[in-house]
Amino acid sequence: QSALTQPASVSGSPRQSITISCTGTSSDIGSYNWVSWYQQHPGKAPKLLIYEVSNRPSGVSNRFSGSKSGNTASLTISGLQAEDEADYYCSSHTSSRTYVFGSGTKVTVL
Amino acid sequence: QVQLVQSGAEVEKPGASVKVSCKASGYSFTGYYMHWVRQAPGQGLEWMGWMNCNTGDTNSAEKFQGRVTMTRDTSISTAYMEVSRLRSDDTAVYYCAGEDCSGGSCHQSFDYWGQGILVTVSS
Repeated sequence: QSALTQPASVSGSPRQSITISCTGTSSDIGSYNWVSWYQQHPGKAPKLLIYEVSNRPSGVSNRFSGSKSGNTASLTISGLQAEDEADYYCSSHTSSRTYVFGSGTKVTVL
Repeated sequence: QVQLVQSGAEVEKPGASVKVSCKASGYSFTGYYMHWVRQAPGQGLEWMGWMNCNTGDTNSAEKFQGRVTMTRDTSISTAYMEVSRLRSDDTAVYYCAGEDCSGGSCHQSFDYWGQGILVTVSS
């Protein structure tokens, strides 16, 4: 199972919105609404931001939102803040009852 | 609150095995799936496998099949993962991550994470 494809880096100015894409195949993202997103700061464990494409766990800011179209999922961060500077990973359930992560995107706040 | 506490760092020689643990607290252990995820230095996340903490059923990524064993001890709410025939490219931080299925359905996501264990494979 190859990693899902994400852009290596995305940047934006404070208060702007940015979108991170995550492209898979018909065997993962395209077949299931089980896409999740994670934020990871340096030296820290990942943190769940979005599950089931667009649902936020309790405590996660509503500045984070998710969507999906076909084989591509997206994470949008609105009102970008300095604390959002981190690595972001998508993940999807697959047809073989396994999971696959995206390649990861480094978000820089200019 | 939900906590996953992992065992300490390990240093192993190539060809050896390592068994890491993940102790859960703050929730019903058997109501969760436990996943294992690793991250090599400077690299991305790599999913390794899951275990149903209630039944003990497991499934792993194809590249780890035959080399990774996941078990649990429900009496102490602890999950274990053993990796055998270690190679230098197994050097990574290993995370356990719990998936909440206690509400009758699972979100197919990694809801809570341990702090990670650095496993170094070196001769």
